[in-house]
Amino acid sequence: GQQLNQSPQSMFIQEGEDVSMNCTSSSIFNTWLWYKQDPGEGPVLLIALYKAGELTSNGRLTAQFGITRKDSFLNISASIPSDVGIYFCAGQTTIGAGSYQLTFGKGTKLSVIP
Amino acid sequence: KAGVTQTPRYLIKTRGQQVTLSCSPISGHRSVSWYQQTPGQGLQFLFEYFSETQRNKGNFPGRFSGRQFSNSRSEMNVSTLELGDSALYLCASSLTGGSYGYTFGSGTRLTVV
Repeated sequence: GQQLNQSPQSMFIQEGEDVSMNCTSSSIFNTWLWYKQDPGEGPVLLIALYKAGELTSNGRLTAQFGITRKDSFLNISASIPSDVGIYFCAGQTTIGAGSYQLTFGKGTKLSVIP
Repeated sequence: KAGVTQTPRYLIKTRGQQVTLSCSPISGHRSVSWYQQTPGQGLQFLFEYFSETQRNKGNFPGRFSGRQFSNSRSEMNVSTLELGDSALYLCASSLTGGSYGYTFGSGTRLTVV
């Protein structure tokens, strides 16, 4: 089956630092999604990428859809304490007409030291 | 606009029992997907329902089943519970099937003892 390799598994950074995490896959995806999950909650969509090479920003977050369609990265600039959480990448595959399936990475746990 | 609502939030069951979890999608959303999240395996796709029909299924045993009602609410059922079924079960809804991303609920934390 499809697998996503997400790295790093965890990060400890100082407040104000920039953060970078990425996902790679052996399979091609139509869409890449980045989610953040806080403890006790479900994942929340941060950024969606729909085209190879696409670079999209959402505030301090920037993500790119790799040219090969097999990878994506997420950058967070000037981190703040509320950035703490687990970040997941997800690749979306078309299963059938109007039906899609998400394959998730194992997550990057981000800790921000004030 | 209300989000995706999952009930109950927490559940403790005994091995061998069965359990039913409920998910109410965002109003107007017709697709509901279920995921299992564990520390070891991460987030794994269980199944997707659209217009009361199972449209897609992940690689889980037949003990895991689901259904969707005419109002798009969905339930998933796990029979003959095993210790390894302890997990956070997440429901996600989308308008038609996730082409613009899914919205997740807060999940049901199931503990099997």
